Amino acid sequence: AAGVIQSPRHLIKEKRETATLKCYPIPRHDTVYWYQQGPGQDPQFLISFYEKMQSDKGSIPDRFSAQQFSDYHSELNMSSLELGDSALYFCASTRWEAGELFFGEGSRLTVL
Amino acid sequence: AQKVTQAQTEISVVEKEDVTLDCVYETRDTTYYLFWYKQPPSGELVFLIRRNSFDEQNEISGRYSWNFQKSTSSFNFTITASQVVDSAVYFCALSEEQGAGNMLTFGGGTRLMVKP
Repeated sequence: AAGVIQSPRHLIKEKRETATLKCYPIPRHDTVYWYQQGPGQDPQFLISFYEKMQSDKGSIPDRFSAQQFSDYHSELNMSSLELGDSALYFCASTRWEAGELFFGEGSRLTVL
Repeated sequence: AQKVTQAQTEISVVEKEDVTLDCVYETRDTTYYLFWYKQPPSGELVFLIRRNSFDEQNEISGRYSWNFQKSTSSFNFTITASQVVDSAVYFCALSEEQGAGNMLTFGGGTRLMVKP
């Protein structure tokens, strides 16, 4: 069965650069979540989208922005990268009326 | 505000031992969902179980079992006859909204090491 696809799986950037992470949800899933997991930490909710509109916002820095497109894929844009942004970024998808989140394999961002 | 606490940061057992991972949660909602996820060394988050707040029946799936006790706000996870492949970080998580939202609050995770 199709799962949540995230790209790239690994990304290395320098400080102050920009990075974009992509997430392709499971077909017919209308809701996408972004989570950030720092080294040795639990995943922290960043932002979510339902039907291309932002539905919830967590601890997402102002330097980050995200959107969900008409085909339901989502992109997380991160600018002015800092060393502390190095983390595993997870995307998860679900159907709005369901209760189970399916996570992608994550995108590992390393900021040097 | 919702909160999930996994007091055990690290557990080490020998293969074939049983092990229980504790999870205690806090929420003001009467409707909520509890989850367990497994994160192996490869990093992905693997869904194990979802339980709603109205279903206190314990669940068994192979070597895995879950004990939901609303009276103590706990949702503990037991692995019977542990195996080396069970070595991973296990996260307990809580969602306060049914359907809409589904924003998960994770506990700090318990790192389980199963030695041969």
